[in-house]
Order: sequence, then C-alpha cells, then structure tokens
Amino acid sequence: EDQVTQSPEALRLQEGESSSLNCSYTVSGLRGLFWYRQDPGKGPEFLFTLYSAGEEKEKERLKATLTKKESFLHITAPKPEDSATYLCAVRGTGGGNKLTFGTGTQLKVEL
Amino acid sequence: DGGITQSPKYLFRKEGQNVTLSCEQNLNHDAMYWYRQDPGQGLRLIYYSQIVNDFQKGDIAEGYSVSREKKESFPLTVTSAQKNPTAFYLCASSMRDGGTEAFFGQGTRLTVV
Repeated sequence: EDQVTQSPEALRLQEGESSSLNCSYTVSGLRGLFWYRQDPGKGPEFLFTLYSAGEEKEKERLKATLTKKESFLHITAPKPEDSATYLCAVRGTGGGNKLTFGTGTQLKVEL
Repeated sequence: DGGITQSPKYLFRKEGQNVTLSCEQNLNHDAMYWYRQDPGQGLRLIYYSQIVNDFQKGDIAEGYSVSREKKESFPLTVTSAQKNPTAFYLCASSMRDGGTEAFFGQGTRLTVV
C-alpha cells in the first residue's frame, strides 16, 4: 500500500525566512510525485510533478526536489501570499490510477 | 475555459437523506476521482473511474455510490448509510497516463444536520 508522510504539520515563517517542507513516501513503482497548494475552502492547485530521483523543478519562490525516499519543497524568501497548506501525493504502479495524499503542511508566512 | 466544476458549493441535508454531488469536467480527461477531506486527515479516496461505465472503490467507499455514464460527468451520492457524511468533498480528473497530474474542482462542503 502506498504511503505518504509530510512534515512538519505546521510551519510559521517570517517574510524572507527560507525553509523546506518534507514529503516521505513508500510506493510500489513510482509513476509520479505531485505537489499541490491548497487555500482554505478551495480545491488543491497543482504545482509540480516529479518522476525520478535527482529531478528538480522550480516556480517562482518554490523548488521541488526528489530522492528515492522523499521529496522536499524549498521555499526561498517567502511572502505572506505563500501562506497555504501544501500537499504531497504519489501515484504508484500497484494501485490503478489513484493518487495517495499526505496530510499536508500548513504554512503561515508573517510580515 | 477548461476545468472542473463542482456544484453546489455548500449543501445542507437532514440526517437520513441521500444527497448527490455534481462533478463535470471539460478537460477531455478519462480518469475522474472523488476525495473526502476532513481536518487533520488529508484527502481520502472514495471512488475513482478510469473510463466510462467503469469505476473502482477507494479507501472509504462505504456509504457512497457513483456512476460514470458520460466521460464529462462523475456524480457522487452520499447515502443514509454513511455514518459521518459532514465533510469537504473534492472531485478531480486526470489523463489515464499514470504520470500525469490530477486537477481539482473547488469542492462541495456538505453539512448534515
């Protein structure tokens, strides 16, 4: 069974204070690891897909990296508008086409 | 604009009543999903469908039913057998290729009183 664990559960940063969110996973044959951003009361918004160890993707202040056991979402010089819950999900070869999600990291960036 | 539309955004029902949540997509995606989100528990998969007229149970299918008569539509019925139906429900769709991302609707918040 695919499993995803995200840490920390919550993170409070000052504006400009860089940090990283962790996503540890176990999956039978990784077909993709996905990062999403979710604002309160809204549906998740897709950020990145990573496929193999060593891969990196960037978008504005966000950078996602992948190893064989975990993924990191690095946030450089965050702004208050980056405050949201960040979700990690995996899709493996053993579970049909379904996505398995972690419980998310709730990020708050303060002035 | 291409996307996924869930309706209604808020839904109130009396205990013991069945209720159907709508999900429509115009992305030409084959696969569609229903997730339930509760505080502190993340997204849990209820049902998913990879093709018209076919669907599979997810991790928490008890008390729910779905149909997939059209590629664009994947309605979810919350039946009276669901013991704790109050939650935020999210619909998503993706290409059948397992490496592609899923896109989500804006959700339906169901409250049973």
